[in-house]
Amino acid sequence: DVKVTQSSRYLVKRTGEKVFLECVQDMDHENMFWYRQDPGLGLRLIYFSYDVKMKEKGDIPEGYSVSREKKERFSLILESASTNQTSMYLCATRTSATYEQYFGPGTRLTVT
Amino acid sequence: KNQVEQSPQSLIILEGKNCTLQCNYTVSPFSNLRWYKQDTGRGPVSLTIMTFSENTKSNGRYTATLDADTKQSSLHITASQLSDSASYICVVMRANQAGTALIFGKGTTLSVSS
Repeated sequence: DVKVTQSSRYLVKRTGEKVFLECVQDMDHENMFWYRQDPGLGLRLIYFSYDVKMKEKGDIPEGYSVSREKKERFSLILESASTNQTSMYLCATRTSATYEQYFGPGTRLTVT
Repeated sequence: KNQVEQSPQSLIILEGKNCTLQCNYTVSPFSNLRWYKQDTGRGPVSLTIMTFSENTKSNGRYTATLDADTKQSSLHITASQLSDSASYICVVMRANQAGTALIFGKGTTLSVSS
């Protein structure tokens, strides 16, 4: 079974803090994704990576950066957290072979 | 514009009843369509993936249909259970020479009551 884990289920941070969200997968998938999910807006793509050290902007990259130093690990960084970044953050992986996408359990981030 | 529209936005049914969720899309070029189930506070879990040539696909009490001509899909849930209470998300993959992209619907929230 594919396993996608995220470093925290719940996180509370203060405005201006630097925040790291980490995602780890155990299936050697090439592609990894970060989404945020907000009520009424659905899932929106922040960044994705199709290989180590490669990254591409998604639909809403502003205020975020990412890092992929190892194939199994994809980190989302909020350089200076703001209250409008309060959201559910979901990591996902996808194999190029079948295009099946697997999601992690999510991190509920609250910025106060 | 590439869009995925789901209806209804929310639905309440009694345990044991059947229900059908709808998904209309305008995504082109179409590669495949997926239905995900998302329990509250959890990540989405795949129920089915359907390609252009597949009309129907079942996963237990879940049956998805696809009409690629009218660009419509439905998810039918038979003999609903309390554990079916969740958000159901329709996702369409667009694929062209530039790469692939997933277009997400906003989801239908299903509540099954006893």
